Amino acid sequence: DAGITQSPRYKITETGRQVTLMCHQTWSHSYMFWYRQDLGHGLRLIYYSAAADITDKGEVPDGYVVSRSKTENFPLTLESATRSQTSVYFCASSEREWIGWEQYFGPGTRLTVT
Amino acid sequence: QQQVKQSPQSLIVQKGGISIINCAYENTAFDYFPWYQQFPGKGPALLIAIRPDVSEKKEGRFTISFNKSAKQFSLHIMDSQPGDSATYFCAASPTDNYGQNFVFGPGTRLSVLP
Repeated sequence: DAGITQSPRYKITETGRQVTLMCHQTWSHSYMFWYRQDLGHGLRLIYYSAAADITDKGEVPDGYVVSRSKTENFPLTLESATRSQTSVYFCASSEREWIGWEQYFGPGTRLTVT
Repeated sequence: QQQVKQSPQSLIVQKGGISIINCAYENTAFDYFPWYQQFPGKGPALLIAIRPDVSEKKEGRFTISFNKSAKQFSLHIMDSQPGDSATYFCAASPTDNYGQNFVFGPGTRLSVLP
């Protein structure tokens, strides 16, 4: 199926555990992003990638690690999960359209850290 | 200077009424201003977007008004319907140095009463 997918959709993990959230896009978009969404904070950028093997920090990168060995995949790893990382995580891909850089979002992963 | 301010935080409108959401920015390098619509449990999706060379763009019941000198833009939803109930995010982006400079407003939760 064409588009952008995230897995798992729901995840419960314990404090201190490592967890990886997956993101896959079928468009070959150059840019990919990870956001977290919390009540009262809107969408906050964690990391982004301009191309395979090129990643950079966003607004709230602490406690997260990303990699992008292939254009279509952009996994996000929480190295040692904390309760403050309980959130909904959105992956997005982006390519330059004639009007500007449109972002296409995945369905989200709801992560609960107990 | 990267911030996009958005108001109101929440909005309740009667069916058939006009919904108006306002955003303001500071960074004069921004040249792309999209609006995203997010339904509960879903990822945000592009609704309508504008570039600063036009003052207004209309798509169906949705209109963006843009005031370059004031560095403000707004979303108008005409004949609001209960199906429009969602969270709306304004955003802004430069064409160059795009990655971490794509910024979202904090969001407006719109409820349209039947």
